Amino acid sequence: DAKTTQPPSMDCAEGRAANLPCNHSTISGNEYVYWYRQIHSQGPQYIIHGLKNNETNEMASLIITEDRKSSTLILPHATLRDTAVYYCIVSPNTGTASKLTFGTGTRLQVTL
Amino acid sequence: KAGVTQTPRYLIKTRGQQVTLSCSPISGHRSVSWYQQTPGQGLQFLFEYFSETQRNKGNFPGRFSGRQFSNSRSEMNVSTLELGDSALYLCASSPRGLDNEQFFGPGTRLTVL
Repeated sequence: DAKTTQPPSMDCAEGRAANLPCNHSTISGNEYVYWYRQIHSQGPQYIIHGLKNNETNEMASLIITEDRKSSTLILPHATLRDTAVYYCIVSPNTGTASKLTFGTGTRLQVTL
Repeated sequence: KAGVTQTPRYLIKTRGQQVTLSCSPISGHRSVSWYQQTPGQGLQFLFEYFSETQRNKGNFPGRFSGRQFSNSRSEMNVSTLELGDSALYLCASSPRGLDNEQFFGPGTRLTVL
């Protein structure tokens, strides 16, 4: 699986957009970009995933660069409840690839 | 629909003992994965079961084992516990096992004394 690089921590003011970057320069053609987050003392929560097109759901938007070597997760209006560790993961999306390889993630702190 | 449930939520054991943790996936989910989370190593994949068969395995010693039942419920067992096995053990289920949108349970916090 391709490795990812994320900043260890970020701050964001409540109500503002949180833009979390991820570098995955060794990503291969069949690998998807997944984002999960883990709020303290809870299990990780799926946020969004994509292959090469930008994706949006009720939680966030995922912007993937054209060369697919980096991506950005956007939380459009961050709230205090979005304070968590955010993990960017790249992995094939096949029947035998249900394994997620978590890195160290980005600790997002949303403040008043 | 009920989420992934794990029992027990907290467990204290002593070195040398063995422990069994249980996971009930979301109804209809056939893939169940287990992860270990520690402050030093982060979240690490243990193994994945699909239709009662182990399909993927992480880099853990043979003391860590698991199984899945016909109703997709899964158990993991750790024998001859070591202090380093103290961790949060997370179970995740997936609808079809064909994609990586996994639904995680709250975890079992194991403390080995």
